[in-house]
Amino acid sequence: QITLKESGPTLVKPTQTLTLTCTFSGFSLTTSGVGVAWIRQPPGKALEWLALIYWDDDKRYSPSLKSRLTITKDTSKNQVVLTMTNMDPVDTATYYCAHRPWGAKASNWFDPWGQGTLVTVSS
Amino acid sequence: QSALTQPPSASGSPGQSVTISCTGTSSDVGGYNYVSWYQQHPGKAPKLMIYEVSKRPSGVPDRFSGSKSGNTASLTVSGLQAEDEADYYCNSYAGSNNLIFGGGTKLTVL
Repeated sequence: QITLKESGPTLVKPTQTLTLTCTFSGFSLTTSGVGVAWIRQPPGKALEWLALIYWDDDKRYSPSLKSRLTITKDTSKNQVVLTMTNMDPVDTATYYCAHRPWGAKASNWFDPWGQGTLVTVSS
Repeated sequence: QSALTQPPSASGSPGQSVTISCTGTSSDVGGYNYVSWYQQHPGKAPKLMIYEVSKRPSGVPDRFSGSKSGNTASLTVSGLQAEDEADYYCNSYAGSNNLIFGGGTKLTVL
């Protein structure tokens, strides 16, 4: 059974850097084809893809947020970490991590997802 | 890259069929067979329902089906059931290592 769980601060101040950790079980990020993505959802709004890291350490970022994001993995700990710099109130959202099972790198679908963690940006 | 266009809402009575559209461009939906659909109940994480346009993951009822024509992908829910009431999001590869989601559709079972 694959599970993922997000952890990190629930409240950050504007201009601060957000660090979120996704701890997973039931799969290995060393298996060919596997990846982990971060996706966020502002309250009452749509999903937005942020970043994706593959088993071979290839990394992909949303073009609109690329300058602020860094995704890394620690295969020994079964964790993926996302950092987002210069946080703003508009970044208030539930942040999800999700498992990318396999396939060509252009074919990205996510199953399952973590439960999500709500991050509020406010002074 | 703009979000994919979905109708804000859709509805149907139990037992009926409903189709939700997801319109993009030739640079995303129309250019690749890499469209996926997610179901999200209130307060819950999204759940994968369809991947690669029309493939159904294990455990997803065959009442859910996906298709694509040109720049528009569609999710059809047949034999509507009360538990199908949820938000639905489409997602597509958009080239240049980019992924985009639709704005979401709230499906109501009347």
